[in-house]
Amino acid sequence: DTAVSQTPKYLVTQMGNDKSIKCEQNLGHDTMYWYKQDSKKFLKIMFSYNNKELIINETVPNRFSPKSPDKAHLNLHINSLELGDSAVYFCASSQDLGTGTGELFFGEGSRLTVL
Amino acid sequence: SQQGEEDPQALSIQEGENATMNCSYKTSINNLQWYRQNSGRGLVHLILIRSNEREKHSGRLRVTLDTSKKSSSLLITASRAADTASYFCATERGSYIPTFGRGTSLIVHP
Repeated sequence: DTAVSQTPKYLVTQMGNDKSIKCEQNLGHDTMYWYKQDSKKFLKIMFSYNNKELIINETVPNRFSPKSPDKAHLNLHINSLELGDSAVYFCASSQDLGTGTGELFFGEGSRLTVL
Repeated sequence: SQQGEEDPQALSIQEGENATMNCSYKTSINNLQWYRQNSGRGLVHLILIRSNEREKHSGRLRVTLDTSKKSSSLLITASRAADTASYFCATERGSYIPTFGRGTSLIVHP
């Protein structure tokens, strides 16, 4: 059973389109994250949700909107896609924020290519 | 802002040799973690070291933490071709959200 699963794995689209990436975790974790990995492999935090509440948004454009219908799901919706949005997006989860145990469980990534 | 910086950016060694990667950071941390990423895959947690610890071991992995120098090192002993991957350090500060760098790309030649 996959612990953190995200779909689609690959996404190719045109500039200006709107797209979504879905993420689900079956670990019973309270906190979920979205990270963006650029072409130089730099991994940057975008959002973190704890028990469906947004707790951080690291200067991400408001074209990006996370949606969490329940604590097992954290979807990422992107409006008006730009060339610079091309990257690999990783969903992750952890047991509890604030305990310092910190271990993240990552999905396999969704590679977004904007043409 | 970026917290952890891995060094070197790339490392190429022969099977059986040891591989050492370093991570430097700028502000005080609660803990530091190391992750591994195989090509085209997600990151996998390797080891966590807390700010009051100086050294931890896990199998062929040895991690050290020097909070006075704000640096950590990951040593992989007796490397194998299967160790070929990118290795990332992640630091946790007050928000407890792990912050990553760009990683070290390790190639182990058989």
